[in-house]
Amino acid sequence: GAVVSQHPSWVICKSGTSVKIECRSLDFQATTMFWYRQFPKQSLMLMATSNEGSKATYEQGVEKDKFLINHASLTLSTLTVTSAHPEDSSFYICSARDPAGGLDTQYFGPGTRLTVL
Amino acid sequence: TQLLEQSPQFLSIQEGENLTVYCNSSSVFSSLQWYRQEPGEGPVLLVTVVTGGEVKKLKRLTFQFGDARKDSSLHITAAQPGDTGLYLCAGDLAGNMLTFGGGTRLMVKP
Repeated sequence: GAVVSQHPSWVICKSGTSVKIECRSLDFQATTMFWYRQFPKQSLMLMATSNEGSKATYEQGVEKDKFLINHASLTLSTLTVTSAHPEDSSFYICSARDPAGGLDTQYFGPGTRLTVL
Repeated sequence: TQLLEQSPQFLSIQEGENLTVYCNSSSVFSSLQWYRQEPGEGPVLLVTVVTGGEVKKLKRLTFQFGDARKDSSLHITAAQPGDTGLYLCAGDLAGNMLTFGGGTRLMVKP
């Protein structure tokens, strides 16, 4: 089946630094990718919808200047957490939607665990 | 307030027992999905239900979509330790993105 990869799988950084997380669709082209954040023992919360070739759409309460999203190609979206702080520590998960199918062709990546010291 | 309410939030049972997880909303969904997530991994799709009243079976798992397409249930028969995980329902409201429920954390003890 279709695969979505994320890199890195985990990252530890110092407070104030920026961290970039990549999300790739490996065997299909994704015009739309989604970024979620998941805190321990909680569900997934949609942060933003990443659209290839256009600006991302952010959910209410998500700072677009803090969480920069770039969907530069049909197989790659990146999420950059700028000036990270300990409260940004979380599990970040992306998903990619295969435009050839319906909603159930949305595939999730394995997640990236971010720890900000 | 979450658009999709899942219950129970936590469930700890013995191997061999049956269980049901519920996913409820006041909104109508064009489709609803169930996922299972293990620690440190992304969610894995179990099933998609589309038609009101639809019932789908996946081995020991039975999924039902409410007639009004506002609710769904997941029933596991004879649970096994391998069923342990976070079960998430997610609904499609606008035809483009998923809204997740709060999740049900299941632990099956041997």
